[in-house]
Amino acid sequence: DGGITQSPKYLFRKEGQNVTLSCEQNLNHDAMYWYRQDPGQGLRLIYYSQIVNDFQKGDIAEGYSVSREKKESFPLTVTSAQKNPTAFYLCASRDGRDGSTSGANVLTFGAGSRLTVL
Amino acid sequence: GESVGLHLPTLSVQEGDNSIINCAYSNSASDYFIWYKQESGKGPQFIIDIRSNMDKRQGQRVTVLLNKTVKHLSLQIAATQPGDSAVYFCAEPGNQGGKLIFGQGTELSVKP
Repeated sequence: DGGITQSPKYLFRKEGQNVTLSCEQNLNHDAMYWYRQDPGQGLRLIYYSQIVNDFQKGDIAEGYSVSREKKESFPLTVTSAQKNPTAFYLCASRDGRDGSTSGANVLTFGAGSRLTVL
Repeated sequence: GESVGLHLPTLSVQEGDNSIINCAYSNSASDYFIWYKQESGKGPQFIIDIRSNMDKRQGQRVTVLLNKTVKHLSLQIAATQPGDSAVYFCAEPGNQGGKLIFGQGTELSVKP
């Protein structure tokens, strides 16, 4: 089955530690995205990548870092600089770079990773 | 600015009734809109989308209506079932990169 795999599903972190969330897709999608979701709220964009070896900041990039060395993988590192990291993190991918064709606009999401800072 | 908002944060309906979830958007230049369903502890799932040159689109038990005059769209679910209980988000495109801007979401609860 094609899809997006996020791991780990649950992660606990002590203050001051960096953690990396994994996101792997086998959909052959060009673009990948990281969103953050807080309780009772919508999704906010952290980072996105339209092509390998390139990525852009989203609306709330401070305290996060990403890499895109392979088309299939877009890991997110939550650094100690992120002051309020406890949240549900969602990775998504999309086929098509400019989203101009029908069906190319839809983001496919993974199951999410829940990060809790102790 | 880029923002998508919802009129009601929660909606409770009786099983078998129809549900209507509303969404207001701000960017009149958006050329498509997407509805997602998110069950507890899971990632959002695509339900249906609509392009801005349409005012109605129907899927299986769902209909999306788009009113560009007042920048409003709605998701109608026919014969709501307990499995429809979830948070529903509308989304519109961001200014570049194929990203989506999500609203706050409406939590739908279905009473048996």
